[in-house]
Amino acid sequence: DAKTTQPNSMESNEEEPVHLPCNHSTISGTDYIHWYRQLPSQGPEYVIHGLTSNVNNRMASLAIAEDRKSSTLILHRATLRDAAVYYCILRDGFGNEKLTFGTGTRLTIIP
Amino acid sequence: DGGITQSPKYLFRKEGQNVTLSCEQNLNHDAMYWYRQDPGQGLRLIYYSQIVNDFQKGDIAEGYSVSREKKESFPLTVTSAQKNPTAFYLCASSWGTGSYEQYFGPGTRLTVT
Repeated sequence: DAKTTQPNSMESNEEEPVHLPCNHSTISGTDYIHWYRQLPSQGPEYVIHGLTSNVNNRMASLAIAEDRKSSTLILHRATLRDAAVYYCILRDGFGNEKLTFGTGTRLTIIP
Repeated sequence: DGGITQSPKYLFRKEGQNVTLSCEQNLNHDAMYWYRQDPGQGLRLIYYSQIVNDFQKGDIAEGYSVSREKKESFPLTVTSAQKNPTAFYLCASSWGTGSYEQYFGPGTRLTVT
């Protein structure tokens, strides 16, 4: 499986934008880039996903590099409720059922 | 409200006992999944099912068993053969394969002593 690399932890001030990076240099042409986040003692929550183009939804934006070897999850205005572990995951678009979770990035929001 | 329910939230068992974790969804999703999470780690896939009466092993299926008799239910049995059963167990569902996102339940924290 193609792997992802994320920083172990990041901090950001409340009400400021947050850019969470992810490297996936071995990504294949059929891999979708998914982001999930997990609050303490809860199940993960889907955030966003994309293939080639940048994507926006109500929660976040996903910026994908032109060569697709890296991506960035953007939280436009962080709140305390955004403090969580964020996982960047590659998922084969041709039906591979694996969502392979790494250890993710622990985001701390400073009031 | 549509969603995934897991029960119980906390479960305690003695070593050597089998235990079954419940997972129910009313989202009309075809696919369902079981993951295990250990402290400070990411999730690892135990089993998944794409349709009723069919399921596939994930990365760490040894010591676990599942059934999928109904679309909305996917119970997981942790058998006495599982060497380190104490963990946080998460159930998820999705519309199908490929790019679709997975929806997760709140999890069951199993402690075996």
